[in-house]
This record gives sequence, C-alpha cells and structure tokens, in this order.
Amino acid sequence: GAVVSQHPSWVICKSGTSVKIECRSLDFQATTMFWYRQFPKQSLMLMATSNEGSKATYEQGVEKDKFLINHASLTLSTLTVTSAHPEDSSFYICSAPGESGSPLHFGNGTRLTVT
Amino acid sequence: AQSVTQLDSQVPVFEEAPVELRCNYSSSVSVYLFWYVQYPNQGLQLLLKYLSGSTLVESINGFEAEFNKSQTSFHLRKPSVHISDTAEYFCAVSPSGGYQKVTFGTGTKLQVIP
Repeated sequence: GAVVSQHPSWVICKSGTSVKIECRSLDFQATTMFWYRQFPKQSLMLMATSNEGSKATYEQGVEKDKFLINHASLTLSTLTVTSAHPEDSSFYICSAPGESGSPLHFGNGTRLTVT
Repeated sequence: AQSVTQLDSQVPVFEEAPVELRCNYSSSVSVYLFWYVQYPNQGLQLLLKYLSGSTLVESINGFEAEFNKSQTSFHLRKPSVHISDTAEYFCAVSPSGGYQKVTFGTGTKLQVIP
C-alpha cells in the first residue's frame, strides 16, 4: 500500500539552529501534504498544507517564517524549523492523501528536541 | 466547521475483556469518519473508516465501529482486547468527498492490563 516516509525519526539540536524534516511519498504522487504538530498527550494540530508548485497554506497562529515549508516535487515536502527554541520541541508528523478514495497516509513522525 | 470529542483520555482494561472507546462529532455537512491508532513515537495508522453504506465497519484485527447519525457518534469497540492493543486511538472526521481537512479528537490511551 501507499507509504509515506519521514526523516529523521528523531533529532536533537541546539537553540538557535535550524532543522529540516523531510516527508516523501514512496509509491504515489502527492500534490498536497499536511504537516502536523503533536504535543505530549494531545491531539494532532494541523500546522500547514504543503502544495506542490505553490506556497504553503498555514493555519492560524502558525509562524510562516519560523516553519518554512517547501514542496519541491510531487513526492517530497520539507519542513524547516528555523532558529529553533526549546518551545519548538515536539513531535512533527506529515501526511499525504493517497489515491482517489484513500484517506491520509502518515509518516512515522519526527521527535524534535531543542536544548 | 467540524469538531471531534473523545471524552475518555485513558481507558484501562484487563486483557481479554471488551472495550469501547467513545467518539462524538459535530459538523454542518455530511462527513467521513475514521479511527487511527498510534504506537509510541510512531505516526498514525488507519484502523477503520466510514465513508458511506453500512454503518458498521470492521478492521482486520477485531475492532469495529458503528456510525450513528442521530447521536453523532462513532464509537470503537472490541469484544476481547490483547496486550498488543495498548496504544493511543484517535477519532477523526473530514467533510465527505475529500480528505483534506481532517480534524482529530484529543485521543484515548487504551491500556491493556495483563
């Protein structure tokens, strides 16, 4: 079945540095991908919708300049957390709709820890 | 606008006992309904979905959920749980006809006690 690969699965970085997270659709094309953030013991909050060939659509309250999204191809979207701070530590998950009639497929998530 | 309510944040249950995880939703349009399961430090896996047709849907590992339009519910049930069912379960809803705007509930942690 359709698979979404997310990399890295975990990353530790120092405050002030930037971190890039990749999300790939492995056996299907995804013109749209979604980026979620999950706080401990909470649900997934949609951060932004990544659109191939155009700008991402950010949800209210999400800083565009802090969370840079690039949908470089039909199989790759990246999320860059710029100038990371400890409060950015979280679990980030990407997803993509599958073929017509298929619900979202999720990556395995990235655990970001900013020290 | 749509929303999902999972009233139980944690549900402890003994192995081989039945379990029900509750989910209620609200929406001004017709919806698709989903249950996802998340194991520690992993992404979400689709457990089952309701799109249309029969209101009772089943998964391959013994879970089932019933869509009740009048009560706006989509409760998840399993007649006999296993240790391996220990995980977080998320109910989700999207407008019917598309999967773009999926709204998740806050999740229910199922803890199976040996």
